[in-house]
Amino acid sequence: GAVVSQHPSWVICKSGTSVKIECRSLDFQATTMFWYRQFPKQSLMLMATSNEGSKATYEQGVEKDKFLINHASLTLSTLTVTSAHPEDSSFYICSAVGTGGANTEAFFGQGTRLTVV
Amino acid sequence: KQEVTQIPAALSVPEGENLVLNCSFTDSAIYNLQWFRQDPGKGLTSLLLIQSSQREQTSGRLNASLDKSSGRSTLYIAASQPGDSATYLCAVRNTGGFKTIFGAGTRLFVKA
Repeated sequence: GAVVSQHPSWVICKSGTSVKIECRSLDFQATTMFWYRQFPKQSLMLMATSNEGSKATYEQGVEKDKFLINHASLTLSTLTVTSAHPEDSSFYICSAVGTGGANTEAFFGQGTRLTVV
Repeated sequence: KQEVTQIPAALSVPEGENLVLNCSFTDSAIYNLQWFRQDPGKGLTSLLLIQSSQREQTSGRLNASLDKSSGRSTLYIAASQPGDSATYLCAVRNTGGFKTIFGAGTRLFVKA
């Protein structure tokens, strides 16, 4: 299957700093990418949907000014957690959908574990 | 709004037992349904993907079924092994918007 690479796989940062997470589709062009967040012992919650070249669509309750999403190319989307706080510590995972139409499979990255201290 | 529910939330079985994990969803307008495995602290491993036009998919000891009209899917694991211990997530991909909505998962523990 297609490969989605997420980087870094884990990161520790100080409270108040910003962290950027990258999501790359390695062998296909992704018109749409999704960002999810998973708190301990909970399921994945969709944060936002990003389409290449346009603004991301955020789910209710997700602060767009805190979680900046950029999808500047068909193979790269980035999530920047701005002014991170300990409550932002979580597992973040992206998925990417190719250009093959409605039933194109969504492929998931391996996730990034963020710890804010 | 699509909601995905998984039952049971946790399951402990002895090695060798056959087991069934259940997933239900509220909106039958789906593109596909996918079962994932997640080990503690790790990412997702895709197990089976069922398109909306399909009824089931099989891979090794795993069999997943889909009944779109009733909003249900089951994941059958045959002859369970300790290595099957993980959290199993059911995810539904909606029509329109391509969103994938996850269930809360079933934590499986297979005892040796």
